[in-house]
Amino acid sequence: ILNVEQSPQSLHVQEGDSTNFTCSFPSSNFYALHWYRWETAKSPEALFVMTLNGDEKKKGRISATLNTKEGYSYLYIKGSQPEDSATYLCALILTGGGNKLTFGTGTQLKVEL
Amino acid sequence: EPEVTQTPSHQVTQMGQEVILRCVPISNHLYFYWYRQILGQKVEFLVSFYNNEISEKSEIFDDQFSVERPDGSNFTLKIRSTKLEDSAMYFCASSGNRGNQPQHFGDGTRLSIL
Repeated sequence: ILNVEQSPQSLHVQEGDSTNFTCSFPSSNFYALHWYRWETAKSPEALFVMTLNGDEKKKGRISATLNTKEGYSYLYIKGSQPEDSATYLCALILTGGGNKLTFGTGTQLKVEL
Repeated sequence: EPEVTQTPSHQVTQMGQEVILRCVPISNHLYFYWYRQILGQKVEFLVSFYNNEISEKSEIFDDQFSVERPDGSNFTLKIRSTKLEDSAMYFCASSGNRGNQPQHFGDGTRLSIL
């Protein structure tokens, strides 16, 4: 069974705080790692697709890094805003695994005023 | 921006009945998927579809499940004889290419089996 783990499970921060969370995965047969942002009652929104060891990607105040050798990715949010409140999901694709996404449990972020 | 649309948003069905969940993927996408999330659990893969056939399916996707792209725009998931444990949020997704492109998700159909 392929295990994709995310930590922490939930996080409460104050507006303006910077925060980060982790996605851990088996390092063998890596093909791609996806990050999604999922607000309640909406569809998961693609943030990043990361494929190369050492990749860093940025979208506004959100950025992500990838280490395929040790099997982890970090997602960073700089200067959190209430609209950043959502569940952040990572999902792994393996080589030879088609396009099947194997999801982590998610990190639920709540940004308070 | 193009979207994946799913209907209905909520479906309530008696156990043993057949249900069809509908999806309209993004028009120029080639790969189509169904995922589901049982309450409190991870989002899990059901099936992927490419070039008018199933390219991969999970253990969950047994003989009770089928997918179809009947008319070049719709992509449907059928569950022949629903069980209580089929109650979940079902998501359709589509992508333009292999796994180095994001999958675009619909808003989901909440399926409740009574």
